[in-house]
Amino acid sequence: GQSLEQPSEVTAVEGAIVQINCTYQTSGFYGLSWYQQHDGGAPTFLSYNALDGLEETGRFSSFLSRSDSYGYLLLQELQMKDSASYFCAVLGAENYGQNFVFGPGTRLSVLP
Amino acid sequence: EAQVTQNPRYLITVTGKKLTVTCSQNMNHEYMSWYRQDPGLGLRQIYYSMNVEVTDKGDVPEGYKVSRKEKRNFPLILESPSPNQTSLYFCASSFSGGFYTDTQYFGPGTRLTVL
Repeated sequence: GQSLEQPSEVTAVEGAIVQINCTYQTSGFYGLSWYQQHDGGAPTFLSYNALDGLEETGRFSSFLSRSDSYGYLLLQELQMKDSASYFCAVLGAENYGQNFVFGPGTRLSVLP
Repeated sequence: EAQVTQNPRYLITVTGKKLTVTCSQNMNHEYMSWYRQDPGLGLRQIYYSMNVEVTDKGDVPEGYKVSRKEKRNFPLILESPSPNQTSLYFCASSFSGGFYTDTQYFGPGTRLTVL
């Protein structure tokens, strides 16, 4: 089977830095990605890591360690608009296909 | 405008009445997928398709059917809906399954209630 774990809630203040961790167990692995979802909206893509290391996209960075089955999303200079749910997702190779498995999501609250 | 569209956006139906939720993308993507989202469970993949006429089960395929006769369309069919299929459904597409990038573009969602 495949499963992902991430914290259910994180709270931080404007301007701060927050890290959302994700650990996974999968049969076959292509990469780890992160999505943001605001209340009432659809998920939107943030980042994707196929190889170990850090990927930076503006205020957001994502890290992957394949040997540890672990990744994190780093959000810097937090803004109120960053209040949303964040999902990690693994692109796996179950049954020789390419299936996506999402974590349960982390709800980030940014306080003024 | 590049987008994934779903219809209907909202649907209330009764147990056993067959329904279809349509999904269409205009980005010429090979990979398309259906998810359901329930509180506390994140998104769970129902079915996916890596190309025309190729479909595979995701984590929760029971009670659902899909077809991929054209590259742009990927309808979700509930032959005999039951109340436990009440959920928020998302369709998504991406250029590939992940060999190059994992950027999935999601539709706006369909909120389904089965009474």
